[in-house]
Amino acid sequence: AQRVTQPEKLLSVFKGAPVELKCNYSYSGSPELFWYVQYSRQRLQLLLRHISRESIKGFTADLNKGETSFHLKKPFAQEEDSAMYYCALRGNTGGFKTIFGAGTRLFVKA
Amino acid sequence: DAGVTQSPTHLIKTRGQQVTLRCSPISGHKSVSWYQQVLGQGPQFIFQYYEKEERGRGNFPDRFSARQFPNYSSELNVNALLLGDSALYLCASSLAQGRRGETQYFGPGTRLLVL
Repeated sequence: AQRVTQPEKLLSVFKGAPVELKCNYSYSGSPELFWYVQYSRQRLQLLLRHISRESIKGFTADLNKGETSFHLKKPFAQEEDSAMYYCALRGNTGGFKTIFGAGTRLFVKA
Repeated sequence: DAGVTQSPTHLIKTRGQQVTLRCSPISGHKSVSWYQQVLGQGPQFIFQYYEKEERGRGNFPDRFSARQFPNYSSELNVNALLLGDSALYLCASSLAQGRRGETQYFGPGTRLLVL
């Protein structure tokens, strides 16, 4: 079964602390993995994707095929990082059918 | 460009009624996808349309239908509404069909409440 699991509904850290949002997936084949972010009163937007291997706003995510994980990391959290984060998977059969996790709310305290 | 637009922003219906939600993609985008987001969960894929043809369907009953018009805008229809259809309905647009590396751009959503 195709599934994305985000085990933490809420993650609270202090400003300047490292942050890691966990994501595990289940998929037969080579999916495309994403992190989406939704800031307060804004629309859902793409943060980063695994094939780009880029760092966006200080965030990175590495695809670990052995552990089927795609955890999102940032070494020093900022207050403006507070948002809802969704891990998502898209299959390798074309099209835009995207499977989302339930999301993790990140709260960065001053 | 205003990005993806959706109308209405909010809607209240009663059980058994029918509803139509509308989406206008970013100019030049030919693909529209619809998602349902129930409170506390992530978005769930309903449909994708590309060049006016259905290109993908999620695990939703036949009460859900959609279409795409020649100007690439789209409508999502839900018949015989149930309480469980209460959710935020998101539309996403993209340039093409969904090759690896393509990006979806989401609209603000339509919040539907079924009483």
